[in-house]
Amino acid sequence: NAGVTQTPKFQVLKTGQSMTLQCAQDMNHEYMSWYRQDPGMGLRLIHYSVGAGITDQGEVPNGYNVSRSTTEDFPLRLLSAAPSQTSVYFCASSYKGAPRVEQFFGPGTRLTVL
Amino acid sequence: GQQVMQIPQYQHVQEGEDFTTYCNSSTTLSNIQWYKQRPGGHPVFLIQLVKSGEVKKQKRLTFQFGEAKKNSSLHITATQTTDVGTYFCAGHRGSTLGRLYFGRGTQLTVWP
Repeated sequence: NAGVTQTPKFQVLKTGQSMTLQCAQDMNHEYMSWYRQDPGMGLRLIHYSVGAGITDQGEVPNGYNVSRSTTEDFPLRLLSAAPSQTSVYFCASSYKGAPRVEQFFGPGTRLTVL
Repeated sequence: GQQVMQIPQYQHVQEGEDFTTYCNSSTTLSNIQWYKQRPGGHPVFLIQLVKSGEVKKQKRLTFQFGEAKKNSSLHITATQTTDVGTYFCAGHRGSTLGRLYFGRGTQLTVWP
């Protein structure tokens, strides 16, 4: 049981480049989320999904796209990278059933945009 | 705007001193969760409180959920160097469990 996996661990992009951050979970969790973490800003929600085929915007969605074609995978696409997107990105998943709805986080992707 | 406020942003204590972080929501939460993130790591779930006025303890950590289900606190007694990290509160609003609202966290530094 690998939990939540994220690839790559580190990435350097040039302004204007596009890329996809991968996230996968093997716990059959319905809910998945993407966060970015910047110093002093905590965890800010980018997009989230409550099941395959269903996604919604979070607090800071601009410049990012997501899709959820399977329960296991929830990739995050940067359309045209900007220096303001330099951050640490965390993917998280959680079980749908109450009351135990804790989120399990992946190890993160550290992205630098030059 | 920020849905869940958390203070203080930073706290520096000497080993053995107590530590408290406070979380306040602008709206009623259906639950409150606490996470710990060690330096360079990812957030890890600590505990969840669901009931109004609930208090839970984990060894030296005491968690409270306010009567109005809008505020919460985490208190650590006699801090140790292993307590270093950032503590986040987070909560769900209403019956929507897919989205979790996080506070900005309190970064705890413990001097030996």
